[in-house]
Amino acid sequence: AQSVTQLDSQVPVFEEAPVELRCNYSSSVSVYLFWYVQYPNQGLQLLLKYLSGSTLVKGINGFEAEFNKSQTSFHLRKPSVHISDTAEYFCAVSLQGGKIIFGQGTELSVKP
Amino acid sequence: EAGVAQSPRYKIIEKRQSVAFWCNPISGHATLYWYQQILGQGPKLLIQFQNNGVVDDSQLPKDRFSAERLKGVDSTLKIQPAKLEDSAVYLCASSFRQGLTDTQYFGPGTRLTVL
Repeated sequence: AQSVTQLDSQVPVFEEAPVELRCNYSSSVSVYLFWYVQYPNQGLQLLLKYLSGSTLVKGINGFEAEFNKSQTSFHLRKPSVHISDTAEYFCAVSLQGGKIIFGQGTELSVKP
Repeated sequence: EAGVAQSPRYKIIEKRQSVAFWCNPISGHATLYWYQQILGQGPKLLIQFQNNGVVDDSQLPKDRFSAERLKGVDSTLKIQPAKLEDSAVYLCASSFRQGLTDTQYFGPGTRLTVL
C-alpha cells in the first residue's frame, strides 16, 4: 500500500525568503502526486499535481514541485514567500486514479 | 461556478447524540467524497460515491456512521451515536474526470465538537 510522509510538521520562514516543504512517498508501483493548501477554516485547494512527463511541475501562487523517482520524493518549493502563503500544506499520493492518501500536513508560517 | 457547499459549518453536540452533515457538490460532478480530518492530521477518506452508488466505504465506521447520496447529487453523512473521538472537521469533495485523473474540489468543511 502507498503512504506519504511529510518530514516537517512546522516550517517558520521570513517573508521573501525561499521555502521547501518536504514530502516522501512509498509505493511499489507508479503513482500520481499532489500538493494541496488549506487556509484557516477552509477546505483544501489543489496547488499542483504530477501525473507523468516533466518532473518539474509548476502550480498556482508561484509554487513548484519536483518529482524524484529515485528518491521517492515530491518536495514543494517557492523562491520567495508572502505573508498570505501562511497555511497548512498537504502532500498526497494516489495509485493512478485511485483513492488519494494524504500526508500529515506541514504548517507554513511566514513572518514579516 | 459555485463551489462545494456544506452545512452546518460548526456543530457542538454531546456524546451519544446524533448529528447529520449535508453536502451539495459542484454541478455535474459525478463523484463525491466524505473525509474526516482530525486536528493535526491529513484528511482520511470515509466514503466515495460515484453518482448514487458507493465506490469505497472501507474506512467508514459502519456501526455508527452512515451516508447516502440520493439521486446522485446532494449527500448527507450521519453519526449516531457520536463519540468523543469523532471530534473533527468533516470535508466533502466532488470531482470529475480530467484526462488521467480526477481533480477533487473541497468544500469548507463542518467542524464537529463532541463534548
